[in-house]
Amino acid sequence: QKEVEQDPGPLSVPEGAIVSLNCTYSNSAFQYFMWYRQYSRKGPELLMYTYSSGNKEDGRFTAQVDKSSKYISLFIRDSQPSDSATYLCATQQEGGFKTIFGAGTRLFVKA
Amino acid sequence: GAVVSQHPSRVICKSGTSVKIECRSLDFQATTMFWYRQFPKQSLMLMATSNEGSKATYEQGVEKDKFLINHASLTLSTLTVTSAHPEDSSFYICSAPGTGAEAFFGQGTRLTVV
Repeated sequence: QKEVEQDPGPLSVPEGAIVSLNCTYSNSAFQYFMWYRQYSRKGPELLMYTYSSGNKEDGRFTAQVDKSSKYISLFIRDSQPSDSATYLCATQQEGGFKTIFGAGTRLFVKA
Repeated sequence: GAVVSQHPSRVICKSGTSVKIECRSLDFQATTMFWYRQFPKQSLMLMATSNEGSKATYEQGVEKDKFLINHASLTLSTLTVTSAHPEDSSFYICSAPGTGAEAFFGQGTRLTVV
């Protein structure tokens, strides 16, 4: 079993839709949860960063962490064609060093 | 956020030759850098952790003699793919850790071995 599971998609939605991206993880020691966005043939860029459980909102993006179910989510409101990219969830332990990445979900937002 | 610059962005080389990829932290010092490999439609696979002034730490299954890592200064880490073969063709990405758990990635290098 992978430490972080993420459906690779692809996920195709119309412009303006609410997008829900999800990951599950197996190690209860993970405390840091990140979402990265990666455009084609580019390096990933940090989108959201949360510590432990809870929600975090930044503009059209909301990250949710439910440690009881080991489930992390990223919601994108009013999705735009420019949001088309691969979204990678990532986790790290407290005091840890290595970041564990999900497989990435490819998102296509159609105009 | 911090800026990590990776060069070249794309390289094509002949089988049997060596290729060097550079990763620079532009506005901060990085005692540690990570090197990843990414296959099409797959996630990042950590290859090794580069430590300034000491030997790199390689992940299981990664050939240290094939993927030479040097971290000679606080702003530069290099990955050299030696005696490259077509199966080494991939997307290589470096990153440097931030103050928390976040990482700052380079732009990536697409290596094609012909």
